[in-house]
Formats: sequence, C-alpha cells, structure tokens
Amino acid sequence: EAAVTQSPRNKVTVTGGNVTLSCRQTNSHNYMYWYRQDTGHGLRLIHYSYGAGNLQIGDVPDGYKATRTTQEDFFLLLELASPSQTSLYFCASSEGSSNSDYTFGSGTRLLVI
Amino acid sequence: GDSVTQTEGLVTLTEGLPVMLNCTYQTIYSNPFLFWYVHYLNESPRLLLKSSTDNKRTEHQGFHATLHKSSSSFHLQKSSAQLSDSALYYCALSNTGNYKYVFGAGTRLKVIA
Repeated sequence: EAAVTQSPRNKVTVTGGNVTLSCRQTNSHNYMYWYRQDTGHGLRLIHYSYGAGNLQIGDVPDGYKATRTTQEDFFLLLELASPSQTSLYFCASSEGSSNSDYTFGSGTRLLVI
Repeated sequence: GDSVTQTEGLVTLTEGLPVMLNCTYQTIYSNPFLFWYVHYLNESPRLLLKSSTDNKRTEHQGFHATLHKSSSSFHLQKSSAQLSDSALYYCALSNTGNYKYVFGAGTRLKVIA
C-alpha cells in the first residue's frame, strides 16, 4: 500500500540543538513537501522537492534546511532549533499535477525547550 | 498570489444539525482546483473531496461541496453532523502548472451531543 512514513513520531530537543526529521514515501511520487501545522495558521509549507537532488523554497523556510536524497527520502533539518519551531510537522507526497491528491504522513511532534 | 480564506477557526455544532464550513479563494487563474482535506486527531490529513468543475456538486462520505467560480467559493456541507465528524478541515487551492497547494488556515469542527 502506498504510504508516507515519518520518523520520529515525537522529538524533544533543547534550544540550539540539531534535529533531523525523516520522511519516506513508497508512492513513486515526484513531489514531496514539508509542512508545519500550528493553531491559527493551518498548514504552512516549509520546503518541497520535485525529485532527488532538487529543493524548492516554501513559504516559511527560515531556520530550516531540507534535502531530497532519493526519490523516496526527504529530510528536514533544524540545525539550531528554537522554541518557535515547536510544532507538528507533516510530510506529504504527490504526483505533481495540479489536481493531484496529497498523501500525508502521520506527523512528527517536535518540542524545543 | 493565490490565497484561501476559511473564516471560522472553530465551529461547534450539536449532533444532527447541518454543517457548513466556508471557503473562499482568490486567484488570477480561470481554472483552479479546489480541495477539502480532513484531519482527525492522531491521524494523517486525508483528501475528502475535490473539484475543478464550475457549479457541479461533488460528494464523498456524506459531505458535499460545489465550486462556484462566480463567487470564488467552495463551501463544505453536510446535512446532519455526527460526533465522528469532529476534526480539522482544510480547504486548499491549486492551479494548472502549480505543484503546491495553497491551504486555508483550517476550521476545527466540534460536534457535541
């Protein structure tokens, strides 16, 4: 079954810490996305990619890096985590046409203390 | 740029009453694609329904929506709310050649007995 798998499910780190969130999709989709979900703001796009080695800047990229190592794997990196990055992070994939559905992962809840 | 507006942050309804969640959008393009995603607690957001056809009702799982280009709206409706409908609902927009959605801020629907 096609899926998007995120790890870890929960993460606690200290301010200034280094965090990597992982996402793997088995949908053979070209596009992958990283979103953060915050009350009152909904889903906000951090970075996205249309293939291995490609990276596109989203709407709220500050403080985040991302890397797409393969068709399947997309990583989100927080190199100096701050409390403002405490959030629920979702990875998603899509075929990449305008009417394509997104398949979302189950989310990673990050707490920066 | 494109934008999606969901005016209600929280909608609280008694079971059995009709549901209407508002979604309006702005785009300069004439053929937008509109989506409703539903996010149940501790699950992944998933597609509820989508449309790109003007004035055509789209239905799924008891919910329905009609894209009205004249008013730039895609409101989500259901005739009778159930407790299990309690969730976060997102309206989203994409356009031809654009491979990332624009999400609204989301509406939390709380159905009470």
